[in-house]
Amino acid sequence: DTAVSQTPKYLVTQMGNDKSIKCEQNLGHDTMYWYKQDSKKFLKIMFSYNNKELIINETVPNRFSPKSPDKAHLNLHINSLELGDSAVYFCASSPETSSPQETQYFGPGTRLLVL
Amino acid sequence: LAKTTQPISMDSYEGQEVNITCSHNNIATNDYITWYQQFPSQGPRFIIQGYKTKVTNEVASLFIPADRKSSTLSLPRVSLSDTAVYYCLVGDRANFGNEKLTFGTGTRLTIIP
Repeated sequence: DTAVSQTPKYLVTQMGNDKSIKCEQNLGHDTMYWYKQDSKKFLKIMFSYNNKELIINETVPNRFSPKSPDKAHLNLHINSLELGDSAVYFCASSPETSSPQETQYFGPGTRLLVL
Repeated sequence: LAKTTQPISMDSYEGQEVNITCSHNNIATNDYITWYQQFPSQGPRFIIQGYKTKVTNEVASLFIPADRKSSTLSLPRVSLSDTAVYYCLVGDRANFGNEKLTFGTGTRLTIIP
């Protein structure tokens, strides 16, 4: 069973379009994340979310918005896509444990190409 | 944030033990050290986590000296399937902040037959 899944795996679209990437986790975790991995392979967090709060990386444009219909899902909506949005987007989740640093479980990634 | 520094790349032959060192000079008292592995076209995968001294699991060992300003991930008898990028991450859940969850450049490990 896939622990963290994302759809679609590949997404090719035109500049200016609006798109969504879906993420689902079946681990019963309380916290979910979205990361962006650029062409240089830097992996940077965009959002983290649990049922208590949404933490936004202030460097993320407001064209990006996470939406969580329930605890098992955190979808990423992107408005007015730009060329620079081309990257691999990873969803991740972690348990709400007492561990000092949460262990994150990552999805397989969504490869977005904006033309 | 305890910033980390790792070698950009390393090569090793199959069957060898590989040690990847991560520097984190300004690690805080509450920070733990976590290592992730990422294969091409996949998301990162948790390998090991530790606070001090030595931690060992079925995949790797993690050595942390007393000053905790560095850590070494040790992979015993590597195989071709260990070719991946290895990330060192340092942080503290209590000081939850976005910078904590930014992975560094990682170390690209290539295993040679």
